[in-house]
Amino acid sequence: AQSVTQPDIHITVSEGASLELRCNYSYGATPYLFWYVQSPGQGLQLLLKYFSGDTLVQGIKGFEAEFKRSQSSFNLRKPSVHWSDAAEYFCAVSISNFGNEKLTFGTGTRLTIIP
Amino acid sequence: DSGVTQTPKHLITATGQRVTLRCSPRSGDLSVYWYQQSLDQGLQFLIQYYNGEERAKGNILERFSAQQFPDLHSELNLSSLELGDSALYFCASSDRRTTGELFFGEGSRLTVL
Repeated sequence: AQSVTQPDIHITVSEGASLELRCNYSYGATPYLFWYVQSPGQGLQLLLKYFSGDTLVQGIKGFEAEFKRSQSSFNLRKPSVHWSDAAEYFCAVSISNFGNEKLTFGTGTRLTIIP
Repeated sequence: DSGVTQTPKHLITATGQRVTLRCSPRSGDLSVYWYQQSLDQGLQFLIQYYNGEERAKGNILERFSAQQFPDLHSELNLSSLELGDSALYFCASSDRRTTGELFFGEGSRLTVL
């Protein structure tokens, strides 16, 4: 079965600094990979996804992620964070058999932004 | 706004009771998923329905059940509630045209006292 590891439980970054959130997956083939964000009291919102092709994917809110097959990683990056980026970030994987898009989520990384 | 509607947003009940959580998926989405989010377990997949039929089952307790109705809305029934069932329950829906992408509601927060 597929699994996702987010090794950082909590990260604190200064506003304007760069950000990288780590995600490693375990799956025999190339899975479909996602990053979701959850703001306090809100549901999860999709930031970006990787299915195939270009390994650097762009998402909303200025986020990007890079798929590295050799490292089984899909790290999320942002060059300059804003205070509004404070939230919980979840990496997820799907084997996406049509009609069965069950996502397996990592444990999440809580991002705190300091002025 | 994801287009997925969940009710109620908050629910407080006692141990041993039964509750029903409701989800209306995005217009046109045939798949509905239920997830449980708790501090100790994280986001756990419970169950998926596709066009009224159960498609996949995850870590769903026997005390829990779900169904999807002909109008595609779904209900998650939780019975014989225990303190450990306190969690945020999310519903999500998906569209075959956006493979793998789930659209989440804002969740129903259940507190069992």
